Amino acid sequence: LAKTTQPISMDSYEGQEVNITCSHNNIATNDYITWYQQFPSQGPRFIIQGYKTKVTNEVASLFIPADRKSSTLSLPRVSLSDTAVYYCLVGGGVYQGGKLIFGQGTELSVKP
Amino acid sequence: AAGVIQSPRHLIKEKRETATLKCYPIPRHDTVYWYQQGPGQDPQFLISFYEKMQSDKGSIPDRFSAQQFSDYHSELNMSSLELGDSALYFCASSHRQGLGSDSTNEKLFFGSGTQLSVL
Repeated sequence: LAKTTQPISMDSYEGQEVNITCSHNNIATNDYITWYQQFPSQGPRFIIQGYKTKVTNEVASLFIPADRKSSTLSLPRVSLSDTAVYYCLVGGGVYQGGKLIFGQGTELSVKP
Repeated sequence: AAGVIQSPRHLIKEKRETATLKCYPIPRHDTVYWYQQGPGQDPQFLISFYEKMQSDKGSIPDRFSAQQFSDYHSELNMSSLELGDSALYFCASSHRQGLGSDSTNEKLFFGSGTQLSVL
C-alpha cells in the first residue's frame, strides 16, 4: 500500500485558503486518493476523493497532478470550525483488499 | 440519514477483564472496519469484514477477536485487557459490493467511537 507523507501541522487564519499537500510516491495504478477530517474524540469524516486532475465538492477541492505522486487538499475560506486533523489515504480499492491505512495526519489550527 | 452506531459510548474495565464493542453499520453497507486510536495517535487499522467474512487484518492483538454477523453488525471482543488497550475504538462501514472497476473508490463512514478505559 502506498505510504503517505503530510506536514504534521499547519496554522491559518479565518477567511484564508488552506492547501495541504500529501506525497504518495508509490501510488499504484488502481489507487484512489481520499481525504478525511477528524475532530477530537470523533470518528474521521469523509471530505473528498479523487483519482486524477481536479475534483471539487461543496466542502473542498482536490488537485492531483498527472504523475499522481502527490495531491493537494484545498479548503477555501477556512473558519474556526475547520480546526481539525486532516488525513490523506491512498489505496483501499475494491480489488486490493480491505485495508485502509491512516498515516500521520496534518493538524490544522485556524486562528481568529 | 442513518449513521454508523457504536455501543457503548464509554466503557471502563479493569486489567485482565474482557470487553465487547458493538458496531451497527449503515443499512445496506456490507463492509465493516475496526480502528484503534490511542491518545494523540493516528487511527490504527485492526481488522475488516466484507459480507461476514474477514477481509483483511491489521495490527490486531491475538487477545482480540471480531466477527460480522448475518445482520451485518460487528463485534470486537477484547480479552485479558491491558492498560495499553485504553483508546478510542472506531468502527466504519462502507458499501463495497457493486463498485465497478471504473467507479469511485470506497468511502468509509465512521461511528462516534467507543472510549475504552482500562484501569
